[in-house]
Amino acid sequence: EPEVTQTPSHQVTQMGQEVILRCVPISNHLYFYWYRQILGQKVEFLVSFYNNEISEKSEIFDDQFSVERPDGSNFTLKIRSTKLEDSAMYFCASAPVGGDTDTQYFGPGTRLTVL
Amino acid sequence: GDSVTQMEGPVTLSEEAFLTINCTYTATGYPSLFWYVQYPGEGLQLLLKATKADDKGSNKGFEATYRKETTSFHLEKGSVQVSDSAVYFCALRDNNDMRFGAGTRLTVKP
Repeated sequence: EPEVTQTPSHQVTQMGQEVILRCVPISNHLYFYWYRQILGQKVEFLVSFYNNEISEKSEIFDDQFSVERPDGSNFTLKIRSTKLEDSAMYFCASAPVGGDTDTQYFGPGTRLTVL
Repeated sequence: GDSVTQMEGPVTLSEEAFLTINCTYTATGYPSLFWYVQYPGEGLQLLLKATKADDKGSNKGFEATYRKETTSFHLEKGSVQVSDSAVYFCALRDNNDMRFGAGTRLTVKP
């Protein structure tokens, strides 16, 4: 069964550094999402992406964040200058166009630790 | 805005006990409702969903019915197993993004 993959599984970085989290969505999906989950808290929506542009973003997704689909398979989340409070699990998700567009399929997550 | 409220955990049950995890929602439109499960060290997996009022989602012995009159989507299972130990998230989708509840940690003891 096709699945969303994410790399790396764990990223440790120093405060102020840039990080790029990578996701490979399911191949025929065209809606892409990033969520984050701070340890012990709820999963929070960050951004959705369709047709090579951001379709919706939350108040968390400020100028420090950006997303890109650099090629036909990858979907990345960049944090320009990490802060301690960016430490969280980041989940990528994708959804198809047509058919069951309601369901988002989540990757296993990247745990980001900012020191 | 749209939101989901689910019962706080943790919930600890013995094997074969009956499980209910309450979930209520607030939405301006007609959202689709979901339960996701997160096993230790893993990502979110879709457990079941319902897209309209009175729909019942079911999977792996879990069930939830979309109740518009009570704005609820409670998760139930008649007989839990140790392998059901996980965090359960109720969620809704209205338009493009998902809104998740805070999660309920379930521990099932043998």
